[in-house]
Amino acid sequence: SSELSQDPDVSVALGQTVRITCQGDSLRSYYASWYQQKPGQAPVLVISDKNNRPSGISDRFSGSSSGNTASLTITGAQADDEADYYCISRDSSGNNSPFGGGTKLTVL
Amino acid sequence: QITLRESGPTLVKPTQTLTLTCTFSGFSLYSSPVGVGWIRQPPGKALEWLAVIYWDDDKRYSPSLRSRLTITKDTSRNQVVLTVTNMDPVDTATYYCARRPNYYDTSGTFDYWGQGARVTVS
Repeated sequence: SSELSQDPDVSVALGQTVRITCQGDSLRSYYASWYQQKPGQAPVLVISDKNNRPSGISDRFSGSSSGNTASLTITGAQADDEADYYCISRDSSGNNSPFGGGTKLTVL
Repeated sequence: QITLRESGPTLVKPTQTLTLTCTFSGFSLYSSPVGVGWIRQPPGKALEWLAVIYWDDDKRYSPSLRSRLTITKDTSRNQVVLTVTNMDPVDTATYYCARRPNYYDTSGTFDYWGQGARVTVS
């Protein structure tokens, strides 16, 4: 089992807002980054260090953190947002970098 | 422009050692505080972080695989090599290398990724 827990499946209606969460004790000390992965493709960084968006990433993606939970929020979900989303952070020692188990986002 | 590319065998036999090479451009492992890591993904499953090596030769390994992994770098050739010993069919996966831009960041981010190398153990 992963040190970082994600809901396996989340769905959202087209145009609505969705929050994908990542839970873990280490998130009380460290931020999470988030990746989007579409079938057959390498992961793409969408949020780093809690809420930094790399160049080229839509401002519909945002990150936040509270307690032991990090969140990725997608506003105005589009069909193209349908993908797997993974969080990553540090473990409690700070030396290792576990991923969450991933969330499959379905846009209805 | 930053690019990374994984290379290595596509098929290995059980008990063999897998050697993968990551060749990158657009940045250097001479530069603090950069690192390069390896991540794998079995078919239909989640990403799994394996190892990372930094500009100063500091190395970190996944605790669950530490005994089987070795990561090294050839800074002058812009290459990072991962070896995995005693391969098993459960190690069948796509293996990615990726850049860690900042040793000190608070989330363990990898920002640029290669396209992945598919490895089958059979």
